[in-house]
Amino acid sequence: DVKVTQSSRYLVKRTGEKVFLECVQDMDHENMFWYRQDPGLGLRLIYFSYDVKMKEKGDIPEGYSVSREKKERFSLILESASTNQTSMYLCASSSRGKGNQPQHFGDGTRLSIL
Amino acid sequence: GENVEQHPSTLSVQEGDSAVIKCTYSDSASNYFPWYKQELGKGPQLIIDIRSNVGEKKDQRIAVTLNKTAKHFSLHITETQPEDSAVYFCAASDYGQNFVFGPGTRLSVLP
Repeated sequence: DVKVTQSSRYLVKRTGEKVFLECVQDMDHENMFWYRQDPGLGLRLIYFSYDVKMKEKGDIPEGYSVSREKKERFSLILESASTNQTSMYLCASSSRGKGNQPQHFGDGTRLSIL
Repeated sequence: GENVEQHPSTLSVQEGDSAVIKCTYSDSASNYFPWYKQELGKGPQLIIDIRSNVGEKKDQRIAVTLNKTAKHFSLHITETQPEDSAVYFCAASDYGQNFVFGPGTRLSVLP
């Protein structure tokens, strides 16, 4: 089974702090994704990566950056945390197979910015 | 870009009844449609998916139907059980690797 592990289940930070969310997958997947999940809005794509050192902006990249130095690890960075970034953050991975492949999700990090 | 709508937003059914959740998409290039179940405190888990060359797919009590002409697809759960209570998300994807998700449906199965 695919395992996507997010380093923290709950995180509380202060406004203006630099925040790192870590995600590791164990299935040698090429593709990795960061979403935020808010009630009534579903999952919105922040950033994604199709390969090591590659990154692409999703639908809501403002205020975020990412890093992918190793294939299995994808980090989301909040450069200067703000209260409107309080949310559930989900990491996902998928393989680069023939045609579309399902995304596999971690259990999320619930981030509160005070 | 793609837009996915999902209805209803909440659904309550009696145990043993059927549940149906419907999604519509806007981009005719979309060709892959997964459904995810999210239980409290967990990430979304894939429960079934369908590709555009197929009209229907079943897996035990779960089925998905796709109408490409009308650009909608539906999740059908038969003989519902309390453990089916969760939030369900549909998604659509074209030949790229990115998904566009619907806003979710909270299903409650009442004993």
